[in-house]
Amino acid sequence: SAVISQKPSRDICQRGTSLTIQCQVDSQVTMMFWYRQQPGQSLTLIATANQGSEATYESGFVIDKFPISRPNLTFSTLTVSNMSPEDSSIYLCSVVGTLKGNEQFFGPGTRLTVL
Amino acid sequence: DQQVKQNSPSLSVQEGRISILNCDYTNSMFDYFLWYKKYPAEGPTFLISISSIKDKNEDGRFTVFLNKSAKHLSLHIVPSQPGDSAVYFCAASPYSGAGSYQLTFGKGTKLSVIP
Repeated sequence: SAVISQKPSRDICQRGTSLTIQCQVDSQVTMMFWYRQQPGQSLTLIATANQGSEATYESGFVIDKFPISRPNLTFSTLTVSNMSPEDSSIYLCSVVGTLKGNEQFFGPGTRLTVL
Repeated sequence: DQQVKQNSPSLSVQEGRISILNCDYTNSMFDYFLWYKKYPAEGPTFLISISSIKDKNEDGRFTVFLNKSAKHLSLHIVPSQPGDSAVYFCAASPYSGAGSYQLTFGKGTKLSVIP
């Protein structure tokens, strides 16, 4: 599978602040996505990160809360803005379209705790 | 409204025996189904997939069965090994062939294989 890294791996943040999560892939990929896994819940797709254009958000997620950048084919960032305790989750990036095939591969995740 | 359901949050199996993990879905538009395995502090790892045109796909010890009329799929692991102990997620996508994306996940089943 593609080697996907995320920074930071975990963080504890104060209410009202923002955190930017980075996702780096070791090869060019066709598509990149951001997911959230709240405690005890399934993974939920936040948005598709589009290279060179605005991200495509799923129902219930908006750009003001989760701004996303994808400046090239190997890197993307997700910002969690104006955080509240309800944003405490694991945030994961994933990719499709690597040399290894067309399946979706996930990064290790970023565990965010908001106090 | 959960479109992909894994009704068993946990399952314990003796080493060497068969593990059967079940998944039900409600959306008739789903065309491609995947199983992911997740260890603690890691991202989900792709395990096996099946297209809706098939009813079975096998890869080594792992076999996925799809019953479209019942909107049900299952993952069989034979023989089960202690290293298989992990959380298994069922996922579905309305797209296949060109790559899996817009995945909808179940909540996962925690498999424990007892030595």
